[in-house]
Amino acid sequence: DAKTTQPNSMESNEEEPVHLPCNHSTISGTDYIHWYRQLPSQGPEYVIHGLTSNVNNRMASLAIAEDRKSSTLILHRATLRDAAVYYCIPHSGGYNKLIFGAGTRLAVHP
Amino acid sequence: GAVVSQHPSWVICKSGTSVKIECRSLDFQATTMFWYRQFPKQSLMLMATSNEGSKATYEQGVEKDKFLINHASLTLSTLTVTSAHPEDSSFYICSARATGTGELFFGEGSRLTVL
Repeated sequence: DAKTTQPNSMESNEEEPVHLPCNHSTISGTDYIHWYRQLPSQGPEYVIHGLTSNVNNRMASLAIAEDRKSSTLILHRATLRDAAVYYCIPHSGGYNKLIFGAGTRLAVHP
Repeated sequence: GAVVSQHPSWVICKSGTSVKIECRSLDFQATTMFWYRQFPKQSLMLMATSNEGSKATYEQGVEKDKFLINHASLTLSTLTVTSAHPEDSSFYICSARATGTGELFFGEGSRLTVL
């Protein structure tokens, strides 16, 4: 499994953009980059995933470096509900297991 | 969207008793389910992979006789913590992979407190 490095914690103010970085320098060529988040006392929820191209959905955008060794999850306007632990996970897809790293704890201030 | 339900959401039990946690996929079939354990301020740790109709595959260091996993149908997997002790107190989370699409969905988690 590819190792990931994320900041332990980050802070943001409400309605400001947030850029959450992730290094995954040992990612294999077939691994997708998945992002999940976990709100307090809940199970993780899917945020976004991508392979090479940048991706957008209603929750966030994912910017993937050209060499695929890093990616950035972008929350365009943080809300208080976005306070959570964000996990970046390289994953080959299919029926393989999902291994969680330490993640980044995001605090959002009013 | 697809829902994975865990029951109970929280349970308190006495040391030495066994506790069963259910994980159900409510609107899809799941050939494969995963069980995780999460201690306070830590990340999720994968315990085992549960495959419908076959034995679970446990991660290294997880005692299969202590954490019994049964996946008897395409919509239900159960985790039984046998002879629970205070150190088994944790947040247990399941996830289910939809058969066909391969999408992965997580349950809300079950908090176990062993007194």
